[in-house]
Amino acid sequence: GAGVSQSPSNKVTEKGKDVELRCDPISGHTALYWYRQSLGQGLEFLIYFQGNSAPDKSGLPSDRFSAERTGGSVSTLTIQRTQQEDSAVYLCASSLVGGGSPAYEQYFGPGTRLTVT
Amino acid sequence: TQLLEQSPQFLSIQEGENLTVYCNSSSVFSSLQWYRQEPGEGPVLLVTVVTGGEVKKLKRLTFQFGDARKDSSLHITAAQPGDTGLYLCAGGGGGSQGNLIFGKGTKLSVKP
Repeated sequence: GAGVSQSPSNKVTEKGKDVELRCDPISGHTALYWYRQSLGQGLEFLIYFQGNSAPDKSGLPSDRFSAERTGGSVSTLTIQRTQQEDSAVYLCASSLVGGGSPAYEQYFGPGTRLTVT
Repeated sequence: TQLLEQSPQFLSIQEGENLTVYCNSSSVFSSLQWYRQEPGEGPVLLVTVVTGGEVKKLKRLTFQFGDARKDSSLHITAAQPGDTGLYLCAGGGGGSQGNLIFGKGTKLSVKP
């Protein structure tokens, strides 16, 4: 079956502009995650959606960042008034279940490389 | 705050050599996962370990979860150029967050 897809694959934007990044999770996966990865670094958690529960937004770095998940499927990460420090690869992942399950396994999309000039 | 520290950060070896990557924390995790990431792609799950002391083998890769479930290691035997990539460990089941706690990764380069 299809894996996690993300669009666009690359996005170049000017400082101060808003951007939207899209994630299509694996069908049937109830949990969806957004991460940010700076060049050669590990993954920084941003936000987590589990079913119809309120999302865990504890990783969002500022109020310029927001995300929504419509119909329990597709998710959009929005960055308003982009800054140069927002430049990174934004990765989306989904898993069959989330939360406290001991062995939830995350499947990642290829990421969106965001460059803010 | 839960942290996972990986070492070494960088590793460059010749084909055929053995290597071990470590993932350590002061926190207990209910599960630990290892991922490999190649340039331009998302991480791909290699293995999940859930029981203290558990050892799992995946061809030339051996994964071990510490008895106290605070640390893990990845051992690669007779490394090949195809093993090149960023290896990430991630701990799960900690705290109230549903996310995984990721280490910063070990960048492995295997030269032919």
